[in-house]
Amino acid sequence: DAGVTQSPTHLIKTRGQQVTLRCSPKSGHDTVSWYQQALGQGPQFIFQYYEEEERQRGNFPDRFSGHQFPNYSSELNVNALLLGDSALYLCASSSLFVAGYTGELFFGEGSRLTVL
Amino acid sequence: SQQGEEDPQALSIQEGENATMNCSYKTSINNLQWYRQNSGRGLVHLILIRSNEREKHSGRLRVTLDTSKKSSSLLITASRAADTASYFCATDGNQAGTALIFGKGTTLSVSS
Repeated sequence: DAGVTQSPTHLIKTRGQQVTLRCSPKSGHDTVSWYQQALGQGPQFIFQYYEEEERQRGNFPDRFSGHQFPNYSSELNVNALLLGDSALYLCASSSLFVAGYTGELFFGEGSRLTVL
Repeated sequence: SQQGEEDPQALSIQEGENATMNCSYKTSINNLQWYRQNSGRGLVHLILIRSNEREKHSGRLRVTLDTSKKSSSLLITASRAADTASYFCATDGNQAGTALIFGKGTTLSVSS
């Protein structure tokens, strides 16, 4: 049973560029959440996708956008990259509306973005 | 914004000792979870405690929850070198399925 997979694992961009990160949820899961984790900090919620729509959004600017596909996989796009966008980007999946769901998330290994 | 705040920020112990980490949060919750993260990798769910529970056990883990004080503690008994990692508490507000809000974490170092 494949867990949550993310790609790429590492990437380096320069300021002003755009980046796309990809995530495939755990088999059977239909909800994808994205988190940003700066060095030495806890993960910060970016947004959550369910049924191909953004269901919730954290306090991130519009430069951060996402998409969910019919197969439940998801992309995170960041435009006009800033140095401060350097972080580990984590994707987490869940199955929100399964009976008895309590909120546990399954995380991928993350994509480490460095902005120079 | 951070909902939970872990204490201490860092903890160093010897193998075989117990490790206790504390978490405080600000708003009412549906449940509180603890996650573990090995250096720079993904988070792994450890244990979940509901708002109407006071204590929960899972193997060498014991979690307590005091909703009146808005605090929780994670106890790892008989620590091993492999327990070296960062530990985060996370809360979900009032409803399961809402975004998890994480604290800054406690970095645990267990030396042999």
